[in-house]
Amino acid sequence: GAVVSQHPSRVICKSGTSVKIECRSLDFQATTMFWYRQFPKQSLMLMATSNEGSKATYEQGVEKDKFLINHASLTLSTLTVTSAHPEDSSFYICSARDGDPRRGVGNQPQHFGDGTRLSIL
Amino acid sequence: QKEVEQNSGPLSVPEGAIASLNCTYSDRGSQSFFWYRQYSGKSPELIMSIYSNGDKEDGRFTAQLNKASQYVSLLIRDSQPSDSATYLCAVNRSDYKLSFGAGTTVTVRA
Repeated sequence: GAVVSQHPSRVICKSGTSVKIECRSLDFQATTMFWYRQFPKQSLMLMATSNEGSKATYEQGVEKDKFLINHASLTLSTLTVTSAHPEDSSFYICSARDGDPRRGVGNQPQHFGDGTRLSIL
Repeated sequence: QKEVEQNSGPLSVPEGAIASLNCTYSDRGSQSFFWYRQYSGKSPELIMSIYSNGDKEDGRFTAQLNKASQYVSLLIRDSQPSDSATYLCAVNRSDYKLSFGAGTTVTVRA
């Protein structure tokens, strides 16, 4: 259980292109999803928290107009990197919190999608 | 001070040995702790969660938590080459977001 699907797995595109990444929870409902970015040899950095039916909350230093997040349903969140530039090249990973009602929110683990490797030329 | 710190590694152990990974955290109010395994080029995979002081065993993995010392550890017994990966310690913040350590890379020598 607790499978998170992320698509596409790899994107190579020209500078100035907008790229959309989808994150789906396949066998559970996720009221909250998270978007991370990971540069080579570094740990995961949280970019934003995606809440179903409301606006995403962004971490300090992350441009909300550049990284558009939509959480239209309990199983789907999308991240759009607008007008991407080479410095946006990175490994983007989504996660969904397993909202098991038997556990408090703080004890619900996050399950990760397979990630999207974005390369901007 | 970083929110979550792990022993820097890399850690190299022979096949069949015990790999010991350590993690300390700064937020004394943290209540839940996770270990993720990340293979090169892949996303993290949850391998252990622990919420109470003491030990928790799952197969060859044992997590240990000491909230008074703000310390979490992971032991991998009978290490296999397939255990070679980066292990991330993650701590739930008071706002229910995860803070990750930098990771410890483990190499199991056949």
